[in-house]
Amino acid sequence: GAVVSQHPSWVICKSGTSVKIECRSLDFQATTMFWYRQFPKQSLMLMATSNEGSKATYEQGVEKDKFLINHASLTLSTLTVTSAHPEDSSFYICSARDKSVEKLFFGSGTQLSVL
Amino acid sequence: KQEVTQIPAALSVPEGENLVLNCSFTDSAIYNLQWFRQDPGKGLTSLLLIQSSQREQTSGRLNASLDKSSGRSTLYIAASQPGDSATYLCAVNHDKLIFGTGTRLQVFP
Repeated sequence: GAVVSQHPSWVICKSGTSVKIECRSLDFQATTMFWYRQFPKQSLMLMATSNEGSKATYEQGVEKDKFLINHASLTLSTLTVTSAHPEDSSFYICSARDKSVEKLFFGSGTQLSVL
Repeated sequence: KQEVTQIPAALSVPEGENLVLNCSFTDSAIYNLQWFRQDPGKGLTSLLLIQSSQREQTSGRLNASLDKSSGRSTLYIAASQPGDSATYLCAVNHDKLIFGTGTRLQVFP
């Protein structure tokens, strides 16, 4: 089946630094990828929709300047948490849409801890 | 705005029981609905996908039904096992996937 690779799986950083998370579709082309955030014991909240070659669409309440999304190729989208603060500590998950089968596949997630 | 709610929020049962997890959504204009399983600190595993034109899907001990007009879906787990312990999420799809609040299931021996 289709595989989505997400790296890193966990990261610890100091407050004020930036962290980049990668999401790759390994065996299909993904024109659309989605980024979610999940706080402990809560559900996944959609942050933004990433379209290859165009600007990402952010959900209400998500700061586009803080969560930079780049979808430069059909197999790679990146989420950069800029000037991270402890309140950004969360579990981030990406998903990629395989249009050939009209299904979404999910990465394994990234646990971000900001000290 | 689409809102997806799951009931119950948590469930603890002895193994062998048959379970029903509920999912409701406010906007019936959906393409499909999916049920996922999430283990602690892990990503998602897709369990069942029901297209908007379908009424139910089955996979092994799992059966999911969809009543789009009333905005409801149920996930039925037969003969539950300790390995079924996880959080179960439903998600509705209309251009983007909106997740429910989740049901944390614990099945004890």
